[in-house]
Amino acid sequence: EVQLVESGGGLVQPGGSLSLSCAASGFTLVNHWMGWVRQAPGKGLEWVANIAPSGGAKYYVDSLKGRFTISRDNAKNLVFLQMNSLRAEDLAVYYCIRWQYSGAWYHIDPWGQGTLVTVSS
Amino acid sequence: QTVVTQEPSFSVSPGGTVTLTCGLTSGSVSTNNHPSWYQQTPGQAPRTLIYNTNTRSSGVPDRFSGSFLGNKAALTITGAQADDECDYYCILNLGSGIWVFGGGTKLTVL
Repeated sequence: EVQLVESGGGLVQPGGSLSLSCAASGFTLVNHWMGWVRQAPGKGLEWVANIAPSGGAKYYVDSLKGRFTISRDNAKNLVFLQMNSLRAEDLAVYYCIRWQYSGAWYHIDPWGQGTLVTVSS
Repeated sequence: QTVVTQEPSFSVSPGGTVTLTCGLTSGSVSTNNHPSWYQQTPGQAPRTLIYNTNTRSSGVPDRFSGSFLGNKAALTITGAQADDECDYYCILNLGSGIWVFGGGTKLTVL
């Protein structure tokens, strides 16, 4: 079964850092683009970042460039999101996603169950 | 800045048909944007519904279908059921590695 399991969420003070992990199983991680999506309470989905299969290419939503860093360890089947200088508005559930390439199109499948990041003093 | 547009809310009667759309504030949605659709019930992670215009993800009932409607991508639910009442999101590729979700449509079935 293809599965993504996030961990590392929790409570952090404003200005602090947090590192999220995503454990991938049931598929060959190195064959896929991976990414993160977040959802603030009561709000819609926001794409955060993607990383290429080799880790060589990384893309971010403009508003988070410079504060968040996506990375991966294909040998350990892990994807990471390092979040620095956290702000109250970063409060959200963070979902790990796998990008599927099918018929020359990309789509997200599956989604992890999400991990909650709370930024508060 | 290009924004992905969705109807904030929509209402459909049980058994009825509803079409949700996904557009761009600048330009038309095409296959180059890789539109796909996701369903989310409260408290749950999103679920993949439709991709490749009209390919249903595994386990998705055939009452869900996708298409292009004018200059937008569209999701149609034919024969809406009570448990279709939830939020629906589309995502588009805007080029240069950037993806943007629409604001989501809250569907009410009543």
